[in-house]
Amino acid sequence: NAGVTQTPKFRILKIGQSMTLQCTQDMNHNYMYWYRQDPGMGLKLIYYSVGAGITDKGEVPNGYNVSRSTTEDFPLRLELAAPSQTSVYFCASSYPQGAQEEGGKNIQYFGAGTRLSVL
Amino acid sequence: DQQVKQNSPSLSVQEGRISILNCDYTNSMFDYFLWYKKYPAEGPTFLISISSIKDKNEDGRFTVFLNKSAKHLSLHIVPSQPGDSAVYFCAASVTGTASKLTFGTGTRLQVTL
Repeated sequence: NAGVTQTPKFRILKIGQSMTLQCTQDMNHNYMYWYRQDPGMGLKLIYYSVGAGITDKGEVPNGYNVSRSTTEDFPLRLELAAPSQTSVYFCASSYPQGAQEEGGKNIQYFGAGTRLSVL
Repeated sequence: DQQVKQNSPSLSVQEGRISILNCDYTNSMFDYFLWYKKYPAEGPTFLISISSIKDKNEDGRFTVFLNKSAKHLSLHIVPSQPGDSAVYFCAASVTGTASKLTFGTGTRLQVTL
């Protein structure tokens, strides 16, 4: 199994451009997440989804949008890119369908990340 | 407002010795704690976890200790190996919140020969 796959691995954007970071998982997980990691900092939650058609904001959602049309895919959209969005972005998933929801004890599995620079 | 804190940005330990990584939290609602390990250019990978109803969890060379009254947890690695050199993140979650994680800033562990 591939697990969580993110594309692209690297991208340079100009200020004001838009792009979509792709994330797909093949583990049949209900929950999916987008985090960003700035240098010397921990991961901060941008958006998350508990199932197809359901998304919600995390700690730092401004400047981003998400959609969840299928269980497998959870793309992150950047509109009007700004230098403050220079970061490494990680997608994660957890909680297999059909498994018992363990009340927060579901392990998250992460993709390898997308390194984004906005210049 | 940093709810999960790792106050040591880096730690250097000799091979074979014990590595102790510390983590403090402020939110008393956290009831599940996890440690993730991250190598450069890779995503974090799950290492070990502990529920708030326990004070210790062990998995091979890795043991996590939880002191709820002090809002403190620690990860012990014994014996430390060069392959353990990585950044370690402490994370916490609250039951019923879709397993959302709050991460610390990480501790870079260097295991030397």
